[in-house]
Amino acid sequence: AQSVSQHNHHVILSEAASLELGCNYSYGGTVNLFWYVQYPGQHLQLLLKYFSGDPLVKGIKGFEAEFIKSKFSFNLRKPSVQWSDTAEYFCAATGGGNKLTFGTGTQLKVEL
Amino acid sequence: SAVISQKPSRDICQRGTSLTIQCQVDSQVTMMFWYRQQPGQSLTLIATANQGSEATYESGFVIDKFPISRPNLTFSTLTVSNLSPEDSSIYLCSVKTGGYSPLHFGNGTRLTVT
Repeated sequence: AQSVSQHNHHVILSEAASLELGCNYSYGGTVNLFWYVQYPGQHLQLLLKYFSGDPLVKGIKGFEAEFIKSKFSFNLRKPSVQWSDTAEYFCAATGGGNKLTFGTGTQLKVEL
Repeated sequence: SAVISQKPSRDICQRGTSLTIQCQVDSQVTMMFWYRQQPGQSLTLIATANQGSEATYESGFVIDKFPISRPNLTFSTLTVSNLSPEDSSIYLCSVKTGGYSPLHFGNGTRLTVT
């Protein structure tokens, strides 16, 4: 069955620390990958997406993610987090169709 | 991208009643979807709202419990029927504006069933 796994459920970092959130997927064939963010009290927003091409994808607000096919991974990174990055982050995948499968989410808290 | 307005933003309902959630999009979209986010869990697709035909439901979701309407390309409703406390969740409307576009989400409806 298609699935998406996020192994870090809660992450606490100090401002300026580097961030890496893990995401692994289980899909055969074509896969499209996404990272969404949900800031407190706001709706889900797209951070970045991968469909094809360069496996290093840059998104908004300084985030990037790397698609590593051999590891079935699409980890999210940011070199220096800010307090305003406190949010919940969701990895999601689709096998080219319309059904998006989400991971369980990672709650990130950035402390001043 | 699309701007999605979802109403109500939250509601508290009694067991056995129903709640209808509205989703309005500022442009015509082919694909509209309804998701559920239960407390502490990820998002789960309930159904795809098809314009002019019955919705397509995912495994574990049925039309009698979650009837969906899609009268045109900018509007859909989801009704959660015969409410029980287990239905307490956030319900989200989402749309896809093109073949290679990502999903865009509304603000969600936080439902609490007492």
